[in-house]
This record gives sequence, C-alpha cells and structure tokens, in this order.
Amino acid sequence: AQSVTQLGSHVSVSEGALVLLRCNYSSSVPPYLFWYVQYPNQGLQLLLKYTSAATLVKGINGFEAEFKKSETSFHLTKPSAHMSDAAEYFCAVKLGNTGKLIFGQGTTLQVKP
Amino acid sequence: GAGVSQSPSNKVTEKGKDVELRCDPISGHTALYWYRQRLGQGLEFLIYFQGNSAPDKSGLPSDRFSAERTGESVSTLTIQRTQQEDSAVYLCASSPGRSNTGELFFGEGSRLTVL
Repeated sequence: AQSVTQLGSHVSVSEGALVLLRCNYSSSVPPYLFWYVQYPNQGLQLLLKYTSAATLVKGINGFEAEFKKSETSFHLTKPSAHMSDAAEYFCAVKLGNTGKLIFGQGTTLQVKP
Repeated sequence: GAGVSQSPSNKVTEKGKDVELRCDPISGHTALYWYRQRLGQGLEFLIYFQGNSAPDKSGLPSDRFSAERTGESVSTLTIQRTQQEDSAVYLCASSPGRSNTGELFFGEGSRLTVL
C-alpha cells in the first residue's frame, strides 16, 4: 500500500537557517508526490509537486524538494528560513490512477527570530 | 465561485445530534474529497468522489458517517449521532479529475465541536 511518513512532528529553526522537512514514501509504482502548506488560520495550499518530469522540484516561496528513488524520500528544503514560513507542512502521495491523495501526519515548522 | 466553499465554517452541537456539512467545489472539477483534521493531527482521508463512479468510502470511520454528491457539484457530509471524538475540522477539496496529476484545491474547512 502507498503511504507517506513525515519524520518529526515539530521542527524549529532560526531565521536565516536551513529548513529541512523529511518525508519518506512507500509505493509499488512510480509515485506522484506533493508538499502542501497550511498557514495559521488558512486552508491548505500546494507548495510543490513531483510528477516524474524532474527529480528536483521548485515550489513557491523559495522551497524545493528532491525526489530520491533509492532512498524513497522527498524531503523539503529552503536555504534560508523566514518568519513567514512558520506553518504546518504536509507531504502527500497520489495513489495510482485513482486521484486519491494520502497525507502524512504533518510537520509544524517554528521559526525563531 | 473562485474557490472551494464550505459551510458552516463553525458548528457547535450536542452529543447525539446529527450534523450536515456542505461543500461547493470549483466549477468543472470532477473529483471531490473529504478529509478530517483532528487537533494536532494530520489529514485523515474520509471519502472521494470521481465523476459518476462509485465513491471510495474506505476512509469513513463508522456507519454514522455518510456523504453524498449531486452530479459533479455540491457534496454533503452527514454525521449522525455525533460523539465528542467527532470534533475536528472537516476539509473538502476538489480537483479537475483523475487525469490530473493530483493537485487538490482545499476549502477553509468546517470546524465541528461536539459538546
């Protein structure tokens, strides 16, 4: 069965530091992978997605993620954290051709001044 | 409308009452999803509608939960005989369809509190 695991429910970084949010997936077929972000008191929005075109995917607000098949990972990174990046981040995998998305448990990113 | 619309935005009910939550997807989107987000937890898949196909109900937690969708438009999630553990934010999302690479467009959710 396809699933995603996010390592670390809470991550805290200083402003200007590297952001690394971890996501590992389990899939028997080439997956479609996504990162969604939920800012406080807002709905979820798509940050970026991997659809097999390129292994390094760039998203909004300076975030990017790299698909590594050998490690079954799709970690989210940003070189320099900003206070406005404080939010909850969800990794998700699309199941086959069904369109159904399964989400990880989420990681809350805290950015300290 | 421009986005996914959910109502009510907040609902407080007493244990044992029935509640209905409504979702208006983006016009033209054939796929519609319901998720549940409990406080401090991730998104729990509930049900998925794709066009006229039979819905995927595999995530519904009990027979107290049901959902309907009229054609490719409005959906209603019904929770009967609510329990305190049903308290959560119920999120609706839509997408253009199965051929889509999977981007979902979310509403802002309906916050349900069961007293």
